[in-house]
Amino acid sequence: GAVVSQHPSRVICKSGTSVKIECRSLDFQATTMFWYRQFPKKSLMLMATSNEGSKATYEQGVEKDKFLINHASLTLSTLTVTSAHPEDSSFYICSARGFSGRRRNEQFFGPGTRLTVL
Amino acid sequence: DAKTTQPPSMDCAEGRAANLPCNHSTISGNEYVYWYRQIHSQGPQYIIHGLKNNETNEMASLIITEDRKSSTLILPHATLRDTAVYYCIVSDSGGSNYKLTFGKGTLLTVNP
Repeated sequence: GAVVSQHPSRVICKSGTSVKIECRSLDFQATTMFWYRQFPKKSLMLMATSNEGSKATYEQGVEKDKFLINHASLTLSTLTVTSAHPEDSSFYICSARGFSGRRRNEQFFGPGTRLTVL
Repeated sequence: DAKTTQPPSMDCAEGRAANLPCNHSTISGNEYVYWYRQIHSQGPQYIIHGLKNNETNEMASLIITEDRKSSTLILPHATLRDTAVYYCIVSDSGGSNYKLTFGKGTLLTVNP
């Protein structure tokens, strides 16, 4: 299947700092990328949908000023957790959707980033 | 809100077929059925998807009932590495509002 990478795989930061997570589609171009959050023993919750070159669409209850999403190219999207607090500690997962060829309409997930805020 | 219903857990013996059911009685005509699985602490892995015909790939088979209100994912020869949470999702893949909404899934435990 297609490869989606995330960096870093895990990060520990102090409360009040900002953390940036990168999501890359390595072997296909993705017009749309999605960001999910998963708390322990819970299912994935969609946070936002980002389309290349436009503003992200956030799900209800997700603060857009706290979770900044940038999708500047067809292979890269970033999620910045601003002024992180312990309750932001979670597993953040991105996914990318291809727009042409065999990848069209298929969504592939990254390996996830474990964020721990102290 | 997830549009699917799955049993919370299932067990299967190694080497046997694992049949995971999913109900999606409110599926609409343009919605596909997707199956993903998530091994602990990893991102979800795509397995298979279909619209109305049965589908098969190297990982699994997907059987969709004629009325499309339910489906079954079949892992023909389960191995210990197939232990994971399996998610059945319905989504309009071609629509402008496309997104995958995850429910609670089924925790499949493959036993030796």
